[in-house]
Amino acid sequence: EAQVTQNPRYLITVTGKKLTVTCSQNMNHEYMSWYRQDPGLGLRQIYYSMNVEVTDKGDVPEGYKVSRKEKRNFPLILESPSPNQTSLYFCASSPGTSGTDTQYFGPGTRLTVL
Amino acid sequence: DAKTTQPNSMESNEEEPVHLPCNHSTISGTDYIHWYRQLPSQGPEYVIHGLTSNVNNRMASLAIAEDRKSSTLILHRATLRDAAVYYCTLSSGTYKYIFGTGTRLKVLA
Repeated sequence: EAQVTQNPRYLITVTGKKLTVTCSQNMNHEYMSWYRQDPGLGLRQIYYSMNVEVTDKGDVPEGYKVSRKEKRNFPLILESPSPNQTSLYFCASSPGTSGTDTQYFGPGTRLTVL
Repeated sequence: DAKTTQPNSMESNEEEPVHLPCNHSTISGTDYIHWYRQLPSQGPEYVIHGLTSNVNNRMASLAIAEDRKSSTLILHRATLRDAAVYYCTLSSGTYKYIFGTGTRLKVLA
């Protein structure tokens, strides 16, 4: 089944403790992206990747890192999480980067930083 | 960067058509208009997209204004399963996606 998977689905952590949220897609998609979703603010893009080893900032990149060493994986790294990073996170992928390509979203990771 | 604005919420009766508006007055000539919906406790899913002409698929129709500064997602017969948050977004050409805050659609039985 074609899908985007995220792990973990739920995570509670404390301020400053480094964490990684994994994202993997099995559709051989070139483009991958991370979003955070907060009440009243909708979906905001954190980082995206056009292909292996090519990443760029979205609208809210502060406090996050990403890497794209393999085509299928796009982990989101919080080196020193803070409470304002408590949010619902979604990973997405799409076949390419043209305006006609649609995104496939993962199920989400709910992160709480105490 | 182009941004979109949508009403926060809308209501519809079951079996009736629903027109969900989106304003994108700063859209550029190469931006595609995409619509996604997010069912409760799920990630967003693709609904439809277009550039200039109106588009139809099995889920919905997309009507795009002639000046492209607004668009409308049309659900021809709303069902209870269509209750979701609907997002209008533009592809900016630099691979960045900018989502609005979405419209929460409530369908009344």
